Amino acid sequence: GEDVEQSLFLSVREGDSSVINCTYTDSSSTYLYWYKQEPGAGLQLLTYIFSNMDMKQDQRLTVLLNKKDKHLSLRIADTQTGDSAIYFCAERPAGNNRKLIWGLGTSLAVNP
Amino acid sequence: GAGVSQSPSNKVTEKGKDVELRCDPISGHTALYWYRQSLGQGLEFLIYFQGNSAPDKSGLPSDRFSAERTGGSVSTLTIQRTQQEDSAVYLCASSLGSQTGANVLTFGAGSRLTVL
Repeated sequence: GEDVEQSLFLSVREGDSSVINCTYTDSSSTYLYWYKQEPGAGLQLLTYIFSNMDMKQDQRLTVLLNKKDKHLSLRIADTQTGDSAIYFCAERPAGNNRKLIWGLGTSLAVNP
Repeated sequence: GAGVSQSPSNKVTEKGKDVELRCDPISGHTALYWYRQSLGQGLEFLIYFQGNSAPDKSGLPSDRFSAERTGGSVSTLTIQRTQQEDSAVYLCASSLGSQTGANVLTFGAGSRLTVL
């Protein structure tokens, strides 16, 4: 069935780059998303990428998509303590506008 | 409104009581979703409303759970005879509901439910 997997934890030092990885199983996915959840808050969209793209950059964020390997990554340059949060990967299968398939989230800890 | 508003933000109840959780989506958003987030778990889809179409209830875990959306706007999620395993954060999201494009979901801050 459809599945999205992420590693659960990542720890980096302030100023380093963070790379959060995600794999998915549905090759028909149209859009893939990264959401951020800070403690006690809802999810906030960080960025998304259309499936016919292989890279998208937005300030400190770089998304890489490898459709062949069904692998998505989010790179955060110059990671700051304010980036500490849970990062969720999600995919939207083709023909299904209703239910995004979500990963369990990667908890990013940024150490000073 | 400017964002998705959920109430209450926190609810503590006793096992067996009924609870109602409210979601006020962004004005003009035709799609509304309810998700459940248990500790250490990802997002569990509960129900989806799109315009005047019949809701997709395929994610509701039991018949104790129900939801309605009045006038295509505000939605209420009702949990009857609450159980301890219902303790979780209930997240509401809305979107433009477009069939094309990214159809980005905007989430509320969630309602944290604790069943004693």
